[in-house]
Amino acid sequence: SAVISQKPSRDICQRGTSLTIQCQVDSQVTMMFWYRQQPGQSLTLIATANQGSEATYESGFVIDKFPISRPNLTFSTLTVSNMSPEDSSIYLCSALPGVPSEAGYTFGSGTRLTVV
Amino acid sequence: SQQGEEDPQALSIQEGENATMNCSYKTSINNLQWYRQNSGRGLVHLILIRSNEREKHSGRLRVTLDTSKKSSSLLITASRAADTASYFCATVGPGAQKLVFGQGTRLTINP
Repeated sequence: SAVISQKPSRDICQRGTSLTIQCQVDSQVTMMFWYRQQPGQSLTLIATANQGSEATYESGFVIDKFPISRPNLTFSTLTVSNMSPEDSSIYLCSALPGVPSEAGYTFGSGTRLTVV
Repeated sequence: SQQGEEDPQALSIQEGENATMNCSYKTSINNLQWYRQNSGRGLVHLILIRSNEREKHSGRLRVTLDTSKKSSSLLITASRAADTASYFCATVGPGAQKLVFGQGTRLTINP
């Protein structure tokens, strides 16, 4: 199954600034996704990153706050813009292999963001 | 949005005992998957069960699916301290690609 390298693994940021999180997959994948996991909570889908077109955002998430890029089939970035303490969460990327399999979806190791 | 509920929210058992976690969901599914997360890190895929399957095994894991009740259970037999983690069910809808997660169960295995 695919392996995802996600970075940074953690960061402490000042409010009002932006942070870009990167995910690199070791093979071409059809779909990539970005999730937010607030402290002690489950995962909430932010958006689906589409190669060559704009991301598809879930209800409650907007492009101005969470711009996403997906320039090719192995790489995607998520930017958390104009951060506030409420953005403190773990952000995870995920990928769906090109061929559906029993292996499920692959996840990056997460970025633990603290906004002060 | 979350797909549904998982219960219990937290479970603490002795090493060697069996652990059962339940998941309910709200809409039709193509498949249901279980994931494990250690200490807020990345998720590890455990097992996938398709909507036309009722039971599946993988090592010490047994998953059941009841589509009429929109529910699934994960059984971990002969638990080990290394099984301590959070466990999440996640569903994929018909024709969809995205995972929708349940609330999760925090499992603690006491030595």
